[in-house]
Amino acid sequence: KAGVTQTPRYLIKTRGQQVTLSCSPISGHRSVSWYQQTPGQGLQFLFEYFSETQRNKGNFPGRFSGRQFSNSRSEMNVSTLELGDSALYLCASSALGRLGGYTFGSGTRLTVV
Amino acid sequence: AQKITQTQPGMFVQEKEAVTLDCTYDTSDQSYGLFWYKQPSSGEMIFLIYQGSYDEQNATEGRYSLNFQKARKSANLVISASQLGDSAMYFCAMREASFGNQFYFGTGTSLTVIP
Repeated sequence: KAGVTQTPRYLIKTRGQQVTLSCSPISGHRSVSWYQQTPGQGLQFLFEYFSETQRNKGNFPGRFSGRQFSNSRSEMNVSTLELGDSALYLCASSALGRLGGYTFGSGTRLTVV
Repeated sequence: AQKITQTQPGMFVQEKEAVTLDCTYDTSDQSYGLFWYKQPSSGEMIFLIYQGSYDEQNATEGRYSLNFQKARKSANLVISASQLGDSAMYFCAMREASFGNQFYFGTGTSLTVIP
């Protein structure tokens, strides 16, 4: 079956702009989580969605937001981009109720110039 | 306190040899899951192995095994018969049943397999 699909794979934006990243989970998976990976901070949790509801949020400023659609696809948005937002953004999907069974996508590499 | 600690920033192993990557964790939850992921330079996080806190036997997946020592709160990854394609970053991670579904990741270990 198809894995987790993240688009686009690469993105270059200018400071002050906004960006939207997309994540399509594995078919049947209703939980989607987002992570930011930087060399300095490592992998950090952004937020998790289930059935279009945000269930958990990490310690990120309000410029970072997300949503989930009825087909479980998720988007995250970063407004007023800063140089420090340059990172690999990873999405993971899971069937609810299982501690295991999370699958990550290939990520979107965002560069802010 | 760090939830996941990986103390080996970099490791080298000879091809065909076994290697152990260390991971210790910290949780007060009784129900949790421990994971190892491989991340090649392409960026994708590739699932390797999972161990549930209530699993009595150590998990194994092909050449990967997880040495789970609950009392010591350690979950070391053992890769047997290393291959050149095993060169990558390896992350230990944990999810707790009581505290949402987020992963806590370690800082990773960069493994280099030498021919």
